[in-house]
Amino acid sequence: AQKITQTQPGMFVQEKEAVTLDCTYDTSDPSYGLFWYKQPSSGEMIFLIYQGSYDQQNATEGRYSLNFQKARKSANLVISASQLGDSAMYFCAMSATGGFKTIFGAGTRLFVKA
Amino acid sequence: DTGVSQNPRHKITKRGQNVTFRCDPISEHNRLYWYRQTLGQGPEFLTYFQNEAQLEKSRLLSDRFSAERPKGSFSTLEIQRTEQGDSAMYLCASRTGLNEKLFFGSGTQLSVL
Repeated sequence: AQKITQTQPGMFVQEKEAVTLDCTYDTSDPSYGLFWYKQPSSGEMIFLIYQGSYDQQNATEGRYSLNFQKARKSANLVISASQLGDSAMYFCAMSATGGFKTIFGAGTRLFVKA
Repeated sequence: DTGVSQNPRHKITKRGQNVTFRCDPISEHNRLYWYRQTLGQGPEFLTYFQNEAQLEKSRLLSDRFSAERPKGSFSTLEIQRTEQGDSAMYLCASRTGLNEKLFFGSGTQLSVL
């Protein structure tokens, strides 16, 4: 069975600083994908970044990077140069390659302080 | 690309009533998902369609829930005899068969009184 664990219910960061949101996962699938989504107060889930389990390099998308440590089964999201608009819920998610469903963690609420 | 559209945005109903939600996925997306999200939690998988075929349904989904996707286009999620525990945000998402990235709609917020 697959499982995603996000142990930080809430995080605070000062504007313009970097922040790391933790995510660990468990799966028996040999090939899988890891995702991060952002959910602002408006409610819509927004895709941020994707990492395939066989990708050699950590994924980056603008100010977002995914710190993938396969042996530790962790896929932490790093947001550099935080902005006030980054305040939102952040969800780590996983799906088996070629599989049907994507499962989500419980989320981390990020507060960016001015 | 008009995005994933969900209607209604909000639904208030009395316990015991039936409700139906609609999702219009991105037109070229053949895979469609329904998720349920309660306050402070991550989305919980409900069911999945590939074209018109419902390929997976969560064991957590009671018989009061049914979903359809006729002709592989829009989808409906019906909840019969609603209960207060059904109050949640119901999210629809779609994707292509090649890219596992999900595109979400804005959701339908259900309140059962």
